[in-house]
Amino acid sequence: KNEVEQSPQNLTAQEGEFITINCSYSVGISALHWLQQHPGGGIVSLFMLSSGKKKHGRLIATINIQEKHSSLHITASHPRDSAVYICAVPPPYGGATNKLIFGTGTLLAVQP
Amino acid sequence: GVTQSPTHLIKTRGQQVTLRCSSQSGHNTVSWYQQALGQGPQFIFQYYREEENGRGNFPPRFSGLQFPNDSSELNVNALELDDSALYLCASSFSRGEQFFGPGTRLTVL
Repeated sequence: KNEVEQSPQNLTAQEGEFITINCSYSVGISALHWLQQHPGGGIVSLFMLSSGKKKHGRLIATINIQEKHSSLHITASHPRDSAVYICAVPPPYGGATNKLIFGTGTLLAVQP
Repeated sequence: GVTQSPTHLIKTRGQQVTLRCSSQSGHNTVSWYQQALGQGPQFIFQYYREEENGRGNFPPRFSGLQFPNDSSELNVNALELDDSALYLCASSFSRGEQFFGPGTRLTVL
């Protein structure tokens, strides 16, 4: 069982739809990252959050530390949002590094 | 932001390669990841204040350097076909948020 799991693995939406991507993790963490990767491209950090909610433009990320669950929401989705969305967590407290443990990724396709 | 060079690179099996990363100003930690096609990134190693402070499941022919001027290198010796991947560096201030570079796509023929 992966330490970080995402759902769904693939998601197709129509332009304008509200989108939710979920992430569950099994390790104790200090913070969780949401990342975006366009096909063939590098990774862009969207959010790092340790509690509550963060909002940036049309993107909203929430986290529930007790339930070990986070969600990424996209409002008024647009074709340019099409990408792989990845949640990632650092190792639990006490680890020597802040290397990230990556989820399986969610491939989002927004159709016009 | 974080930059990487070169963008693309083609090498042949057995050769050596050096990939470069320029961290965000003020960041003291750089991590390197390997992302094979269709896979998630895998942690190679991390450098903190010019010392390696953690390593993933990669052989010793993967080595690195971090310099005091916000630059760092990933060196791979004796290239193998399976080393073909996107190599990502990410910088942070200690355990803070990591910022990724655009990656270097390495093809080994």
